[in-house]
Amino acid sequence: DVKVTQSSRYLVKRTGEKVFLECVQDMDHENMFWYRQDPGLGLRLIYFSYDVKMKEKGDIPEGYSVSREKKERFSLILESASTNQTSMYLCASSPDNYGYTFGSGTRLTVV
Amino acid sequence: ELKVEQNPLFLSMQEGKNYTIYCNYSTTSDRLYWYRQDPGKSLESLFVLLSNGAVKQEGRLMASLDTKARLSTLHITAAVHDLSATYFCAVVHSGTYKYIFGTGTRLKVLA
Repeated sequence: DVKVTQSSRYLVKRTGEKVFLECVQDMDHENMFWYRQDPGLGLRLIYFSYDVKMKEKGDIPEGYSVSREKKERFSLILESASTNQTSMYLCASSPDNYGYTFGSGTRLTVV
Repeated sequence: ELKVEQNPLFLSMQEGKNYTIYCNYSTTSDRLYWYRQDPGKSLESLFVLLSNGAVKQEGRLMASLDTKARLSTLHITAAVHDLSATYFCAVVHSGTYKYIFGTGTRLKVLA
């Protein structure tokens, strides 16, 4: 089975800190995605990547950046964390034309 | 803009009853997915529907797709408590691998 691993289940960070959320998949998938999930707002796409060193903005990229130096790893970076970035962050990967496999999620709290 | 709407948003039902969750989307797409999410957990893939008229069944859940009507249904037969979760549909945006998620339907099955 494909595994998508997010390095932290829970994180608490201070306002203004630089935050790294890591996601690793083990099935050589080309496509990787970062979503955030908030009550009443559903899942919103932050960034996605179709290949190494490629990145595309999703629907809500402001305040975030990403890095994909290796195919298996897709990192989400909060340059200067703010309280409105408190959320559940979900990473997913997929091969071409197939469904996502999601990681277990990272619940980030910014205080 | 591709929109995906689910209804109902909340569903409370008695064990043993049948019900249907609806997923409408606003533009052409020939691929639709259903996911399940338990509280505090990530999303788990349930069904992939790849063509008009596709029907998939797993246990008490059956999903169908009508691409002409831009409608998918998730039918629950003789509900049991273990089916309590939030169910999401997701549609692939034509020409990209971006998935647009529905708002989710929170299902509670009462014993």
